[in-house]
Amino acid sequence: DTAVSQTPKYLVTQMGNDKSIKCEQNLGHDTMYWYKQDSKKFLKIMFSYNNKELIINETVPNRFSPKSPDKAHLNLHINSLELGDSAVYFCASSQEGTGPMEQFFGPGTRLTVL
Amino acid sequence: GESVGLHLPTLSVQEGDNSIINCAYSNSASDYFIWYKQESGKGPQFIIDIRSNMDKRQGQRVTVLLNKTVKHLSLQIAATQPGDSAVYFCAESFSGGYNKLIFGAGTRLAVHP
Repeated sequence: DTAVSQTPKYLVTQMGNDKSIKCEQNLGHDTMYWYKQDSKKFLKIMFSYNNKELIINETVPNRFSPKSPDKAHLNLHINSLELGDSAVYFCASSQEGTGPMEQFFGPGTRLTVL
Repeated sequence: GESVGLHLPTLSVQEGDNSIINCAYSNSASDYFIWYKQESGKGPQFIIDIRSNMDKRQGQRVTVLLNKTVKHLSLQIAATQPGDSAVYFCAESFSGGYNKLIFGAGTRLAVHP
């Protein structure tokens, strides 16, 4: 009964390839997020979707494209992978409230670009 | 703030001691603060949160203190256990900011028996 799940757990690929990471939450939350954690453990938000609508889009290369087929899923597609894309990517979700709310994180996907 | 260094700051404590992890936040408009624990190979896990209308909140073995005057947040862990060893992150957000969390750099807590 995992709350926020991501696939795959590990992803190793060559530079220039296109890859996708999938995320699903079964918490009934309205909002989902993608975060990137670099090798220094720094966590930074990339995107946020609320009810399938993009609401946060940080300064991320347009090679990264999130897609939300429904409010329980938020996938991340990355085109033309570069060495600097190597990181751990976390999906998260939260319920909509009258102010900021706790975000629940998935287990992460470690992406290694060779 | 968003400082990044080569190594995470580390707090080493003896099992059974109390731990205090500190965090400075950057945005005076922030009104929601949260602490996460991240164990190796796992995602961040919620510990405790606090809103700006409070200066202290207690959970099970954990207490968060908020000092808005100096924009400082601390996490106190009582009777630290080996299972508390992890990286701890503070994060801030503000109402109207679409629940965007800004994370601090993290502190590694090492608990020694």
